[in-house]
Amino acid sequence: DGGITQSPKYLFRKEGQNVTLSCEQNLNHDAMYWYRQDPGQGLRLIYYSQIVNDFQKGDIAEGYSVSREKKESFPLTVTSAQKNPTAFYLCASRLGQRRVGKQPQHFGDGTRLSIL
Amino acid sequence: AQKITQTQPGMFVQEKEAVTLDCTYDTSDQSYGLFWYKQPSSGEMIFLIYQGSYDEQNATEGRYSLNFQKARKSANLVISASQLGDSAMYFCAMRGDDYKLSFGAGTTVTVRA
Repeated sequence: DGGITQSPKYLFRKEGQNVTLSCEQNLNHDAMYWYRQDPGQGLRLIYYSQIVNDFQKGDIAEGYSVSREKKESFPLTVTSAQKNPTAFYLCASRLGQRRVGKQPQHFGDGTRLSIL
Repeated sequence: AQKITQTQPGMFVQEKEAVTLDCTYDTSDQSYGLFWYKQPSSGEMIFLIYQGSYDEQNATEGRYSLNFQKARKSANLVISASQLGDSAMYFCAMRGDDYKLSFGAGTTVTVRA
């Protein structure tokens, strides 16, 4: 089945440590996105990528980094510079055909990150 | 800049009744799109319905319909014949530049038997 796979489901970070969240899609989508969700709140955009080897900062990129070396993969690294990383992280992808504005973003099941 | 406002933090609805979730938006774009997503307690985001700014008719998808009032900048979601499985958080989102989405704070719906 086609879909978006995020791993791990739960992740714990020690102080001063970088951690990487995995996001893989087999939908052949061009665009991929990372969002952060804090309890009881909406989603905020961290980074997004429209094509391979290109990505842009979202609204809350500080303390995060990404790469897009392959079309199907868009890993997110939470660096030690992110002082409050505890949150639910969601990865999404979209077909990317600009003329088809109604194409929704499809989401993975998320990764819950906590500080030890 | 785009802004989405959902003013109802939580709502209760009786099973089999209809419920309306409010969403207002602010944008200077002439062309835009509005999406509604459902987030159950398990966390995944499920796409429900889409409304384009130039669509002349309100969108419908099964038990979901969108009451789009462009002049008032509102895009309310109506869930008809509520079921226990509809209990979840619901998010309104707007498509902006580069097809990024801006999300509202969400509304929690609890369906009572």
